[in-house]
Amino acid sequence: EAQVTQNPRYLITVTGKKLTVTCSQNMNHEYMSWYRQDPGLGLRQIYYSMNVEVTDKGDVPEGYKVSRKEKRNFPLILESPSPNQTSLYFCASSFLADRNTEAFFGQGTRLTVV
Amino acid sequence: AQKITQTQPGMFVQEKEAVTLDCTYDTSDQSYGLFWYKQPSSGEMIFLIYQGSYDEQNATEGRYSLNFQKARKSANLVISASQLGDSAMYFCAMRSTFILTGGGNKLTFGTGTQLKVEL
Repeated sequence: EAQVTQNPRYLITVTGKKLTVTCSQNMNHEYMSWYRQDPGLGLRQIYYSMNVEVTDKGDVPEGYKVSRKEKRNFPLILESPSPNQTSLYFCASSFLADRNTEAFFGQGTRLTVV
Repeated sequence: AQKITQTQPGMFVQEKEAVTLDCTYDTSDQSYGLFWYKQPSSGEMIFLIYQGSYDEQNATEGRYSLNFQKARKSANLVISASQLGDSAMYFCAMRSTFILTGGGNKLTFGTGTQLKVEL
């Protein structure tokens, strides 16, 4: 089954404690990205990757890091989380050249930073 | 820069009635795609329907149709015969389909419309 898998689904952590949210896709997509969803703001892109070892900032990259060492995986790293990073996070993937098709989203990760 | 505007934070509709969710967009791109996603209370993002800027026909997928008015820059979602299971948040999004556009396949989202279907 074609899917994007994020883990964990729910996470409560304390300020400053480094965490990683994993994302893996099995569709051989070149393009992967992370979004955060906040009430009244919709989804905003944090970082994206157009292929292995190619990453770039989205609209709200501050406080986040990513890496793309393998095509299927695109982890999101919060080195020193703060309460303003409490949000719902989505990983998404799609074929880079085929922009007429939908992006596939992971199940979401609800992060609370206290 | 691309911008999506959804002006209806919340909507109510009676079961079996049709409902239109509004979406207007702004872009300088000539080639672009418009998407609608559904987000139920469980949180996942479910793709509903796609419309390309050069598509001459309005897109339809089962009970979903997209009322695309290019000159008005609107891409409203129409749900016919609403069901209780349609209660969810709905997001309109767009993406440039010009391959050389910077930012790759970034989707720009609106703020969403919360739809509640009542008996």
